[in-house]
Amino acid sequence: ETGVTQTPRHLVMGMTNKKSLKCEQHLGHNAMYWYKQSAKKPLELMFVYNFKEQTENNSVPSRFSPECPNSSHLFLHLHTLQPEDSALYLCASSHQGTSRDGYGYTFGSGTRLTVV
Amino acid sequence: GENVEQHPSTLSVQEGDSAVIKCTYSDSASNYFPWYKQELGKRPQLIIDIRSNVGEKKDQRIAVTLNKTAKHFSLHITETQPEDSAVYFCAANPDSGGYQKVTFGTGTKLQVIP
Repeated sequence: ETGVTQTPRHLVMGMTNKKSLKCEQHLGHNAMYWYKQSAKKPLELMFVYNFKEQTENNSVPSRFSPECPNSSHLFLHLHTLQPEDSALYLCASSHQGTSRDGYGYTFGSGTRLTVV
Repeated sequence: GENVEQHPSTLSVQEGDSAVIKCTYSDSASNYFPWYKQELGKRPQLIIDIRSNVGEKKDQRIAVTLNKTAKHFSLHITETQPEDSAVYFCAANPDSGGYQKVTFGTGTKLQVIP
């Protein structure tokens, strides 16, 4: 493990279900991120939390709802998803700092989500 | 916003040969350029990065070059080995007031043929 843990690893849910993805980091990072990875598409930034405050919402549909109770935990709450939402959802964390400091991401292993 | 283009989308090389992956970016404010390697079924991992005040950086068999004027940067892998087979993502990152806001390229699937 690299210090960023995501659960569950796999999730199959119906379009009317409600589920949550969990991410936890023990690296002392201050920023956490949700990314969506679909086949043949670049990694898409969904949300950024910096010191527990949401600083970016990249035009994500409201059926995805993030929550960041503290700097170590990040959730993605899912409800009434569509089949096209099936993808790998990756959590990442990084140090706070400008890109001049140049800290890269540490990714979790991801949750493979299938919406049926 | 930033737009990162990456080429080629797939690349096959013989073991021992070199591999080069090229990326361009659009936002002149971007000043940090990480590269990630994602093996099949695994998480992306940072393998090398370069900042805008440096033109080239090398780490063993991996090197990255940056041309800020032309807004392009490249990953070079020499003496490729089968374990280099993976998808490689370039990325560009402008200053975002205290956190990363990385835009990724579409990825290059590298296959090293033994």
